[in-house]
Formats: sequence, structure tokens, C-alpha cells
Amino acid sequence: ETGVTQSPTHLIKTRGQQVTLRCSSQSGHNTVSWYQQALGQGPQFIFQYYREEENGRGNFPPRFSGLQFPNYSSELNVNALELDDSALYLCASSPDSGAAHNEQFFGPGTRLTVL
Amino acid sequence: DAKTTQPPSMDCAEGRAANLLCNHSTISGNEYVYWYRQIHSQGPQYIIHGLKNNETNEMASLIITEDRKSSTLILPHATLRDTAVYYCIVRVLSGNTPLVFGKGTRLSVIA
Repeated sequence: ETGVTQSPTHLIKTRGQQVTLRCSSQSGHNTVSWYQQALGQGPQFIFQYYREEENGRGNFPPRFSGLQFPNYSSELNVNALELDDSALYLCASSPDSGAAHNEQFFGPGTRLTVL
Repeated sequence: DAKTTQPPSMDCAEGRAANLLCNHSTISGNEYVYWYRQIHSQGPQYIIHGLKNNETNEMASLIITEDRKSSTLILPHATLRDTAVYYCIVRVLSGNTPLVFGKGTRLSVIA
């Protein structure tokens, strides 16, 4: 069973640029959540996708957007990058949203640095 | 905002039990206590969860006080590989509600 994978592992961008981060969910999982983790902080929920639809969003501006594909992989897009967007971006997948306890399985993250 | 408070750090000797405390005084009746940990350079990893009864699995034990206002995660025989940040989270057991992380407790296991 393949776990959650993310690409790239590291990325450097400059202010104002746009970035796309990718996540492949664990086999059989149809829900993907994205989190942002600033240095020294816990992860903060950005949004969640369930069967290709956004299914919840945290307190992040619209320049943070996402997609989920028919194979349940997902992308996180961030436009007009700001210095404060520098963080570890984590993707987590989980099985069917209707189940009671849905353990979230996290990928290793993408480290984004904005200069 | 996170509904939990945890000590920022603690040390534990290798082979000894590590007891990690969490306060969640405003927990609601339908919220469960979850524990995750994050080893350096990795994503968080689920450890255990519970409602009001004590729980045990192959990784740890979870002790929840009778009033449910606090809990303790116990690693019975800590090893160097248990060095990580441990997060206590309260969460409704309903589908895929997002995880609300605080700053966690940084556990250092010392040889």
C-alpha cells in the first residue's frame, strides 16, 4: 500500500509568484486535506476536498485554491506569494467522509520558501 | 483556535514511561480527544483517540479524567525514536472534520 506522497519536497519562489504543490492520496482514500505549518507552530487547516469538491475551508484568503482530480490526487495553488507564505505544506488523505473515525494520513510535506 | 493547552516541552529517559499532559477544559460532550505526533521532517502521525474511557493500542495508552477536562498520553517505554512533537486535539467524531493543532509538546527522549 502506497502512502501519501507530495511533490516537490522543497521549493523556492519570490514574492508575487505563483506556486502549485501536488499530493497523491493513499490508495482507497477519497478525501484530501491541506495544512500549512509555519516554523515552530502546529499545522493550520487550509481546505479539504472530497470527491473533487471543496468540503470545508479554514481561515485562508482566496489566493489559496485547490483541485482534486478523479483519481483523488490533489493540487494546492497559491497566487501572489507573500513572505509569510513560507512554510511546510502538508497534505493528508483519509477514507470516505461518511465514516465515523477517519484517521488522516499525512505526507512528508513540501517546504516552500518565499524570498 | 486550538481548544487544548500542553506544556511546551519535556524530557524523558530512554526506557522510562513518558507521560504527556493535555488540558481541554472546554471540551464538549461529543468531542473526542486525539493525539498525533510529528517526528522531525515528517508529517504528523495518528497515535490514539478516545471519548471518556481509557484506551490502549500498540503505540500508547490514553487516560482521560472523569470530568474529561484533561488527559494523559502514556508511552510506556520511551525510545529515542519517540522524540517528536506531540499534539493533543479535541475533535468531533464526524466524517472528516479538520484537525485543529496547537503548538504541542516537544518530547526529547534522552539516552
